[in-house]
Amino acid sequence: QVQLVESGGGVVQPGRSLRLSCAASGFTFSAYGIHWVRQAPGKGLEWLAFISYVGTNKYYADSVKGRFTVSRDNSKNTLYLQMNSLREEDTAVYYCAKDITGTTPYYYMDVWGKGTTVTVSS
Amino acid sequence: QSVLTQPPSVSGAPGQRVTISCTGSSSNFGAGYGVHWYQHLPGTAPKLLICDNNNRPSGVPDRFSGSKSGTSASLAITGLQAEDEADYYCQSYDSSLSGSVFGGGTKLTVL
Repeated sequence: QVQLVESGGGVVQPGRSLRLSCAASGFTFSAYGIHWVRQAPGKGLEWLAFISYVGTNKYYADSVKGRFTVSRDNSKNTLYLQMNSLREEDTAVYYCAKDITGTTPYYYMDVWGKGTTVTVSS
Repeated sequence: QSVLTQPPSVSGAPGQRVTISCTGSSSNFGAGYGVHWYQHLPGTAPKLLICDNNNRPSGVPDRFSGSKSGTSASLAITGLQAEDEADYYCQSYDSSLSGSVFGGGTKLTVL
């Protein structure tokens, strides 16, 4: 079935880096754009980034622009989120979510992973 | 402060009807971008409930419906059931931010 599985979360010190992965299965990964969304403890969902189906178009929320980089390897059906200069406020559950289209984040997310937890703490 | 504004909480008794509002602006709903709704239970993957203002994906009960007018949107749930207790989020695209945006979320309590 259509599935997204995030991994790579953990505990990291402020200022350090972490890379999250999102493995896709059950659909043609290379045909769809993918989002990253997070939920901090006690907070709502926050959209972070979108990457188009071939990886040429990328969009970022202001809160992570310049620190986080989204990328994908369509040969491995995998999406990545490189997180640098991490702050305590980046502590959250991170989700990847499939868009219904391939090129822009104008629409909606029809398949979500169960998330991976990132804790930024000294 | 979310770009899309939702009430923090709503409640209703089993069998009743509740609505959750989502207020946007000229750079999202007013610019013609659609509103989409998600149901989220703690510890689980968010679930798409309503897409493109008022369309239900396959498998979503017809107790759930959506509407949009101008810069406002709403989600209605009729015949409230205990299993509907969850957090609900609206989402759209914002042209000023050049990105997707979520509402702050609304916690639905079934009394």
